[in-house]
Amino acid sequence: NAGVTQTPKFQVLKTGQSMTLQCAQDMNHEYMSWYRQDPGMGLRLIHYSVGAGITDQGEVPNGYNVSRSTTEDFPLRLLSAAPSQTSVYFCASSWTDQTYEQYFGPGTRLTVT
Amino acid sequence: AQSVTQPDIHITVSEGASLELRCNYSYGATPYLFWYVQSPGQGLQLLLKYFSGDTLVQGIKGFEAEFKRSQSSFNLRKPSVHWSDAAEYFCAVGSTGTASKLTFGTGTRLQVTL
Repeated sequence: NAGVTQTPKFQVLKTGQSMTLQCAQDMNHEYMSWYRQDPGMGLRLIHYSVGAGITDQGEVPNGYNVSRSTTEDFPLRLLSAAPSQTSVYFCASSWTDQTYEQYFGPGTRLTVT
Repeated sequence: AQSVTQPDIHITVSEGASLELRCNYSYGATPYLFWYVQSPGQGLQLLLKYFSGDTLVQGIKGFEAEFKRSQSSFNLRKPSVHWSDAAEYFCAVGSTGTASKLTFGTGTRLQVTL
């Protein structure tokens, strides 16, 4: 198993550009989520999904869109990037939303200039 | 709303010394509590978790944590630190009804001197 994979590892965007951060898992997990990590702030939940076709907002959803068309994939879209979205983004998955162990991907470091 | 406080931003210990990382939480019911470790440039790995039962929980890599309801704490301990334990440590609490929806503390960076 590859576990949770994220692409790209690094990305530089200009303000106003759009892009999609990819996340995939091969463990047949129902629950997937996106976090952003900023210095001194820990990780904050952006969006999550409890299964294909079902998504919901987390703590900091503004500026981000998600969809979940398959169990395996959970892409995060930035429609119009802003410097405040410079961060490290982590995708995570677990069997269900009642399961206590989440598996994290290696992260995507995004810089918006 | 739930919250997690890790009062120590940075801790330095000597190899072989004992370690205690502090975590305090705010939550209205019995919490689901976790400790994760993040090595430089890596994702997060679960060290241990508590959701009920014995208040002293054992984890991987020789770590343990004790849940103290009266103090709203879930401190992480290790009796003898190894140089490879240098990393950032995050305490987290899971939401009511959605244990996987985590609220993280701000993290404690551990430095180990030889």
